[in-house]
Amino acid sequence: DIQMTQSPSSLSASVGDTVTITCRASQNIRRYLNWYQHKPGKAPDLLIYGASILEGGAPSRFSGTGSGTDFSLIISGLQPEDFATYFCQQAYTNEYTFGQGTTLQIK
Amino acid sequence: EVQLVQSGAEVKKPGESLRISCEGSGYIFTDYWLAWVRQTPGKGLEWVGSLYPGDSDVRYGPSFQGQVTISADKSTNTAYLQWGSLKASDTATYYCAKIRQLPPHNWFDSWGQGTLVTVSS
Repeated sequence: DIQMTQSPSSLSASVGDTVTITCRASQNIRRYLNWYQHKPGKAPDLLIYGASILEGGAPSRFSGTGSGTDFSLIISGLQPEDFATYFCQQAYTNEYTFGQGTTLQIK
Repeated sequence: EVQLVQSGAEVKKPGESLRISCEGSGYIFTDYWLAWVRQTPGKGLEWVGSLYPGDSDVRYGPSFQGQVTISADKSTNTAYLQWGSLKASDTATYYCAKIRQLPPHNWFDSWGQGTLVTVSS
């Protein structure tokens, strides 16, 4: 199966900062990479699909880049509601695999 | 509005059986694949398997084949994840998620609230 390695596992930042979370696939997954936000006690929310396509309801401060094996989620100008866990998912095969998650905490 | 509502938390003993559910509403249940995902502190998120309610086609993740059964009742728009004999290692939060396909891409566009399953003697 395709392994997804996400880093960092946790990150401290301040409101207004720009942060980058990375996800590396164990093989070429072209652009079949999705990003989700997950807050405690709530269902995860899709942010980005196809590596860089912003989901309709997601704020424009979220962006995604990458193709092949290396991908990034960039949050520009952190807002208080952005402190959450983020995880990537490969959808190159229907045997989906996920990154381990990045917990974004307030500094 | 699409909603996936899962059944409540369960506490079971090793060896017991269990079935948890996920009821879909706000969309045509038989037209979309639905996935089950396991979340544990140690292994993070793992895809358990996917089901197409329209024809009951089911696919299982390599770690879950033979360990669980995924099924659906089209008459009630409900999907199920079932264990015949639980192990302590099945302790986790389980999510169902609707799969949206916009070729060539697909993603999980709606998730249930999660069901915590605790298996302990």
